[in-house]
Amino acid sequence: EPEVTQTPSHQVTQMGQEVILRCVPISNHLYFYWYRQILGQKVEFLVSFYNNEISEKSEIFDDQFSVERPDGSNFTLKIRSTKLEDSAMYFCASSRTVFNEQFFGPGTRLTVL
Amino acid sequence: QQQVKQSPQSLIVQKGGISIINCAYENTAFDYFPWYQQFPGKGPALLIAIRPDVSEKKEGRFTISFNKSAKQFSLHIMDSQPGDSATYFCAAREETSGSRLTFGEGTQLTVNP
Repeated sequence: EPEVTQTPSHQVTQMGQEVILRCVPISNHLYFYWYRQILGQKVEFLVSFYNNEISEKSEIFDDQFSVERPDGSNFTLKIRSTKLEDSAMYFCASSRTVFNEQFFGPGTRLTVL
Repeated sequence: QQQVKQSPQSLIVQKGGISIINCAYENTAFDYFPWYQQFPGKGPALLIAIRPDVSEKKEGRFTISFNKSAKQFSLHIMDSQPGDSATYFCAAREETSGSRLTFGEGTQLTVNP
């Protein structure tokens, strides 16, 4: 069964450093998403991406964040200058259309020291 | 207004019992209400979903009850099994205006053998 994959599973970085989280969505899906879950809190929407551009973003997704689909398979989330409060589990998701089920990857745990 | 409130935070049920998790929302424009199941180390996976044109949806041991006037919906797990032990999230989406899922806080369900 096709699945969303994410790398790395755990990323440790120093405050102020740039990180790139990588995702490979399901191959015939057209919509891509990033969510995050701070430990012990709810899953929060960050951004959705369609046709090589951001279709929706939340208040959390400020200028420190960017997304890109650098090739036909990868979907990345870049955090330009990490802060302690960026420590969270980051989930990538994809869906075939905007109305279909969103399939989530296993997540990348980001720890900012 | 975008919030989804979920209760209880944790739930312990005996094998064979009924697990009930409740959610409430404020945004009357929400028109899609999924429940996600998350096992440790995995991303959320869609369990069952409902749209507000029906009051109940059943899939196997899992039932969503939906009360549009009260702006509440709940997940019932019949004949709960130890393998159902996981974190359950309700969510809501305003399909006509975007694809973002707004999640509840999550319920950690433990089913004792």
